[in-house]
Amino acid sequence: DVKVTQSSRYLVKRTGEKVFLECVQDMDHENMFWYRQDPGLGLRLIYFSYDVKMKEKGDIPEGYSVSREKKERFSLILESASTNQTSMYLCASSLLVSGANEQFFGPGTRLTVL
Amino acid sequence: TQLLEQSPQFLSIQEGENLTVYCNSSSVFSSLQWYRQEPGEGPVLLVTVVTGGEVKKLKRLTFQFGDARKDSSLHITAAQPGDTGLYLCAGISGTYKYIFGTGTRLKVLA
Repeated sequence: DVKVTQSSRYLVKRTGEKVFLECVQDMDHENMFWYRQDPGLGLRLIYFSYDVKMKEKGDIPEGYSVSREKKERFSLILESASTNQTSMYLCASSLLVSGANEQFFGPGTRLTVL
Repeated sequence: TQLLEQSPQFLSIQEGENLTVYCNSSSVFSSLQWYRQEPGEGPVLLVTVVTGGEVKKLKRLTFQFGDARKDSSLHITAAQPGDTGLYLCAGISGTYKYIFGTGTRLKVLA
């Protein structure tokens, strides 16, 4: 079975803290994505990666960075957490860059920044 | 920025009723996907439509891609409580661009 796992289901952090969200996939997928999900806004792409050490900005990259040192692992970093980064964060992976490929999602990390 | 608007945003219906969810954009997409997300889980792919006018059926769910590839609809016949969830459409354009819709939260009451 295809599996995408995220390091935490729930996380509470304080303003200004550095936050790491980890995502691991076991499907040998080239592409990995980080989204944030907010009510009424759907999923918005933060960053994606199509290969190890490669990354591209999505629609809302400000305040975030990413790291992909190994093919199976994609990390999202909040350099200095702020309250407007309170959200559900979803990681996904897919097999190919182009075309209508299925994205496989992790269960999400609900982050609260106080 | 491309936008995908879904309507309605919320829907609460009785078991056995029919419903239609709409996904609209002013942009053309090369293909479109529908996902369902249940509480505490990530979205799961239901279907991909590629050709303008294409209709696909998945048991009681019927998906249609608009002729101009700008919109799509999801019709559920005889809804069941197991259909409860958040339905998301996603338009695909270019190499990696998945534009997700605003979502429709469906609740089917027994």
